[in-house]
Amino acid sequence: QVQLVQSGAEVRKPGSSVKVSCQASGGTLSNYSISWVRQAPGQGLEWMGRIMPKYAASNSAQKFLGRVSFTADDFTNTAYMELSSLRFEDTAVYFCARERVKLPLYFFDDWGQGTLVTVS
Amino acid sequence: ETVMTQSPATLSVSPGERATLSCRASRSVSDNLAWYQQKPGQAPRLLIYGASTRATGIPARFSGSGSGTEFTLTISSLHSEDFAIYYCQQYNDWPTTFGQGTKVEIK
Repeated sequence: QVQLVQSGAEVRKPGSSVKVSCQASGGTLSNYSISWVRQAPGQGLEWMGRIMPKYAASNSAQKFLGRVSFTADDFTNTAYMELSSLRFEDTAVYFCARERVKLPLYFFDDWGQGTLVTVS
Repeated sequence: ETVMTQSPATLSVSPGERATLSCRASRSVSDNLAWYQQKPGQAPRLLIYGASTRATGIPARFSGSGSGTEFTLTISSLHSEDFAIYYCQQYNDWPTTFGQGTKVEIK
């Protein structure tokens, strides 16, 4: 089982950016695809996008186009999600999750512990 | 996008009783459906995928059924640790989408 450990809580002002990390242990990040899912306070789960480190490819949900980017560092086995032009409604817990590909898409085997991002 | 609707929003059940949770898709997702359990302050945990296959380490009291647009998660006899929020996820149509969750609370 792959363990995903995320960076700590962040507080940002509206209009700024935040970068959240997700380090994998017990496996090589490039062997997996990583999705990012967020959860606003008291709300459900929302898929934001994903990165496939092996192919250096990523995509995002329409809602976040132009505001979110996903990167990965093979040397540190870490994936990153950066969200820019932050709004109050971006306040949420952000999770990284390891995908299990089951065509046509994927579900999520392992999750990071979550990172609270507060826009205030 | 495919909208997933879960019912009921809250289910009050006594320990030892059976719980039945529903998830409906706005269009057919075949059997490309997963269920997750989430406890307060924790990340979701995969319970079921392929509509009916239990994930590794998930107790047999959890079972999933359905295909197409109607799905059910059944917990045959609720244990204290099962009181949580349950989410369904379709992975048939891009983007993948989740239901809004069903909270299973102690009656």
